[in-house]
Amino acid sequence: EVQLVESGGGLVQPGGSLRLSCAASGFTFRNYWMTWVRQAPGKGLEWVASINQDDSAIHHADSVKGRFTVSRDNTKNSLYLQMNSLRAEDTAVYYCVKIGYNDYNLDYWGQGILVTVSS
Amino acid sequence: QSVLTQPPSVSGAPGQRVAISCTGTHSNIGADHLVHWYQQVPGSAPKILIYGNTNRPSGVPDRFSGSKSGSSASLAITGLQAEDEADYYCQSYDNSLSGLVFGTGTKVTVL
Repeated sequence: EVQLVESGGGLVQPGGSLRLSCAASGFTFRNYWMTWVRQAPGKGLEWVASINQDDSAIHHADSVKGRFTVSRDNTKNSLYLQMNSLRAEDTAVYYCVKIGYNDYNLDYWGQGILVTVSS
Repeated sequence: QSVLTQPPSVSGAPGQRVAISCTGTHSNIGADHLVHWYQQVPGSAPKILIYGNTNRPSGVPDRFSGSKSGSSASLAITGLQAEDEADYYCQSYDNSLSGLVFGTGTKVTVL
């Protein structure tokens, strides 16, 4: 059974930093692209960042470029999102998501973790 | 920022058919990228409903179907049931953004 479990969320002040982690199990982690998707309260889904199997392809949304960095450790079956210079508009539930083999279909989602940026 | 356009809401009585449109551009759906659909029940993570324009993962009822034409796609729900009340999102890949794009989301209400 595929499981994706996020951790590291919480309340942070504007300008602060947080590092999200995602522990993956139930599939061969090193064989798949992974991505982070977020959802602000009462809003729709927004792509944040994606990373390929060996880190050779990494992409970030314009809204987080230069502030957030996605990374992975295939030896630990883990995905990360380093978030710096956080703003109020970054407040959202962040989902760790596995990308399938059908032109970026998102086949498994974590339960999500809340990040709140507020003073 | 959502790049794919969906109607904010659709509704129907139990047993009826509803359809949700998803309109993109030449850099995503119109560039022959596949369209995927997700269902999100309030308070839960999204779940994949349709992948690759028309395919249903195992466990998804055949009441749900997808189609694509040009720069647009559509999700149809036939034989609407109370449990189908949820938010639905389309998703594709965008060449200009080198990333994923989502629809604006559609709330389905069962009357």
